[in-house]
Amino acid sequence: GEDVEQSLFLSVREGDSSVINCTYTDSSSTYLYWYKQEPGAGLQLLTYIFSNMDMKQDQRLTVLLNKKDKHLSLRIADTQTGDSAIYFCAESYNQGGKLIFGQGTELSVKP
Amino acid sequence: DTGVSQDPRHKITKRGQNVTFRCDPISEHNRLYWYRQTLGQGPEFLTYFQNEAQLEKSRLLSDRFSAERPKGSFSTLEIQRTEQGDSAMYLCASSLVGRITGELFFGEGSRLTVL
Repeated sequence: GEDVEQSLFLSVREGDSSVINCTYTDSSSTYLYWYKQEPGAGLQLLTYIFSNMDMKQDQRLTVLLNKKDKHLSLRIADTQTGDSAIYFCAESYNQGGKLIFGQGTELSVKP
Repeated sequence: DTGVSQDPRHKITKRGQNVTFRCDPISEHNRLYWYRQTLGQGPEFLTYFQNEAQLEKSRLLSDRFSAERPKGSFSTLEIQRTEQGDSAMYLCASSLVGRITGELFFGEGSRLTVL
């Protein structure tokens, strides 16, 4: 079945690293995404990873994928107050098809 | 900016009334999606189109909900006989088949409040 789980809240200090975790159940997922939602704004794609990859790095963002455990994580280095938002993990098992989202992790960055 | 646009941004209605939302996708995108998001939850898939064809509809979607994309461009989502439980943010997204990332581009949403 399709299910994506995330922890609901994370609070960090400015300059620290943030790690947001996600687990998914559909082993046929081929694409996994991280979206960011700021208050009053639409969802924006942050990064994505293909299921045949273990890691992807994009500037301050590092995505790790453990397919055996169906676990995805997003690490934000040197977290800034502007990173405060809700972060959604999403999976898709065919390119261009629907995405299944987790419930989101609210990241709070304290100065 | 030619992103995904949704109208209206906010709709307040009384229970039992019908409401319609419109979505204009990014012009070259051939897929269009509708999602619903309630407070504290992630977006929940409702339905999606490829061009004018409705390819998938969530089995959780009540018969009171209907979506159309008559010319393969803009789409409408109609909710008939609204109930208080329909109060939510209705999100539209679009994508381009064949784009390697498969990402969806979202609009800012239409917030429905049913009194």
